[in-house]
Amino acid sequence: AQKITQTQPGMFVQEKEAVTLDCTYDTSDPSYGLFWYKQPSSGEMIFLIYQGSYDQQNATEGRYSLNFQKARKSANLVISASQLGDSAMYFCAGVTSGTYKYIFGTGTRLKVLA
Amino acid sequence: KAGVTQTPRYLIKTRGQQVTLSCSPISGHRSVSWYQQTPGQGLQFLFEYFSETQRNKGNFPGRFSGRQFSNSRSEMNVSTLELGDSALYLCASSLAVTGGDEQYFGPGTRLTVT
Repeated sequence: AQKITQTQPGMFVQEKEAVTLDCTYDTSDPSYGLFWYKQPSSGEMIFLIYQGSYDQQNATEGRYSLNFQKARKSANLVISASQLGDSAMYFCAGVTSGTYKYIFGTGTRLKVLA
Repeated sequence: KAGVTQTPRYLIKTRGQQVTLSCSPISGHRSVSWYQQTPGQGLQFLFEYFSETQRNKGNFPGRFSGRQFSNSRSEMNVSTLELGDSALYLCASSLAVTGGDEQYFGPGTRLTVT
C-alpha cells in the first residue's frame, strides 16, 4: 500500500532561520506528485507547493522550496526566513498519476520561536 | 474567485442518527474529495467524485456515502453515527483531470457525536 512518511512529529526553529521538513513517498509508480499543505490552528488546509516526479527542477514558491530527491522519492520542504506565522501543522501528500487518491502523512508540527 | 465552502461548520449529533454534509467547490473545479481528520488517525481519504462519478474510495464502512451533483457540489452522508465518527470532515476541490492537480480545501465541518 502507498504511504507518505513524515519522520518529524514536531520541530522548533528560531525566527528568521531556515527549516527543513521531511517527506518520503512509498510508491512503486514512477509517475506521481507530491504536495505540501499548511494547517494553522484555525483548521483550514492551505496548499503551499507541488513537485511532479518528472519535473526537471526543484519547485519554488516564495519562501517555500522543495529539495526533491527522485531516487528516494522524497520532497523535503524548506522554509526560509521563518516567521511567527509559519507556526502550524505541515502535511505532505502524494498521489500517483491517474488514481485521484491523495495520501497524506501524519504531519509535522512546526513552532517558530521569537 | 470564491473558495471551497462547507456547510454546516459545526454539528452535534447523537449516536444512531445520520448526518449530511455539504461542499461547494471552487468554480470550474469538477473534482471533489472528502477526508476525515482525527487526532489519532490523521487525514484519511474517504472518496473522490468527478463529474458525478465516484472515481476512488478509501477504506471506510458503507455507512459513509457521498454523491456529486451536476453543478459539482457534493454531499457526504454518514448513517448510524458512532462515537468514533467524531472528527473534522474536510472537502477539497481540484481540476484533477489527470490526478496531479493541487487540491484546495474548505474550512471543514466539525462533527461531534454524543
